[in-house]
Amino acid sequence: QKEVEQNSGPLSVPEGAIASLNCTYSDRGSQSFFWYRQYSGKSPELIMSIYSNGDKEDGRFTAQLNKASQYVSLLIRDSQPSDSATYLCAVSESGGGADGLTFGKGTHLIIQP
Amino acid sequence: DTEVTQTPKHLVMGMTNKKSLKCEQHMGHRAMYWYKQKAKKPPELMFVYSYEKLSINESVPSRFSPECPNSSLLNLHLHALQPEDSALYLCASSQDPPGSSTDTQYFGPGTRLTVL
Repeated sequence: QKEVEQNSGPLSVPEGAIASLNCTYSDRGSQSFFWYRQYSGKSPELIMSIYSNGDKEDGRFTAQLNKASQYVSLLIRDSQPSDSATYLCAVSESGGGADGLTFGKGTHLIIQP
Repeated sequence: DTEVTQTPKHLVMGMTNKKSLKCEQHMGHRAMYWYKQKAKKPPELMFVYSYEKLSINESVPSRFSPECPNSSLLNLHLHALQPEDSALYLCASSQDPPGSSTDTQYFGPGTRLTVL
């Protein structure tokens, strides 16, 4: 059974600070890793994808992947109230027989003005 | 452009009704997905179409029937639903099928379904 674990929160961070979101996964065959942001009542919106070990930066967002530790994280710098949302970690395995994304339960992030 | 569209936005139906949800993408993506999402839960995969063929059916009840008329369109036909089927139904697409290096999924806005 493939599992993706996230702390459900809520995670409360002051405006302007760094928000750190973490995710672990159980399937060592996982190849692709994604962070989605979901506002209440809306659909998931892709924030970052990462495929190889290390850091990947896009604006205020940095994704970090460590396949040996089966750990992926998302850092949000200069947090804004508009970043308040649920962040879903999703993992996809590689190769034939892959069945799409496995989602974590999501971390509810609150940015306090 | 990574737009996936879904209609209708909201749908209310009785348990004896038949209705359909529609999803469309014009990005040339070769895989399309249906997910179901209940409140405060992550999306749950229902069906995957790869190259217009059903490749994954996650043991979904037969009252949900998917259809892929062409590479841009995906329908979900609904019949004899139960109140517990009320949820947000999400469509997604990716350039290539799951497991490839280009399987990033982009979601549509969803259809909010209420079954009375």
